[in-house]
Amino acid sequence: AQSVSQHNHHVILSEAASLELGCNYSYGGTVNLFWYVQYPGQHLQLLLKYFSGDPLVKGIKGFEAEFIKSKFSFNLRKPSVQWSDTAEYFCAVTYGGSQGNLIFGKGTKLSVKP
Amino acid sequence: DTEVTQTPKHLVMGMTNKKSLKCEQHMGHRAMYWYKQKAKKPPELMFVYSYEKLSINESVPSRFSPECPNSSLLNLHLHALQPEDSALYLCASSPLRALGGVSGEQYFGPGTRLTVT
Repeated sequence: AQSVSQHNHHVILSEAASLELGCNYSYGGTVNLFWYVQYPGQHLQLLLKYFSGDPLVKGIKGFEAEFIKSKFSFNLRKPSVQWSDTAEYFCAVTYGGSQGNLIFGKGTKLSVKP
Repeated sequence: DTEVTQTPKHLVMGMTNKKSLKCEQHMGHRAMYWYKQKAKKPPELMFVYSYEKLSINESVPSRFSPECPNSSLLNLHLHALQPEDSALYLCASSPLRALGGVSGEQYFGPGTRLTVT
């Protein structure tokens, strides 16, 4: 079955630390890849997306992600986190031929200490 | 307008009630979705509408009945729910790709927090 795995359930960092959240997806042919963020009390927002082309994708708020096809990975990175980055981060995938239904990972809770 | 709006924000209903959740978007998106999200869990897909037609029903119980009256509106009719149906119900919409198919780039509403008593 098609699935998405996020390696970390809860990550705790101090401000200015670097961030990398892991995401792997199961093989299923053509994929579109996404990271969504859910700030406390707010709705899901699209952080960045990959459809094709340059595997290094830049998103909002200084986040970026790298698509490594050989590793079925789409890890999220940020060089220096801020307290305001505290949120739940979801990796998600759509597979080619689907109706665009997103398959979500279980999420990673990021807590940034001021 | 890049918003998906949902009403009501909160809903408490008894197991014998009938209620409806509403979702609206004015981004011209032709794919719309209903998701269910339990606390500390990812959203779970319930229904997908593409060009106002139901294209996916993820084996959702019949006590949930979706409706897409037009390209901007999506409803979820609720009847005889169970306490375990209490959750955050999210609506999302997505543009279609230029060559057809759905992009998967979804815009989410704030959700309706449903409590079934």
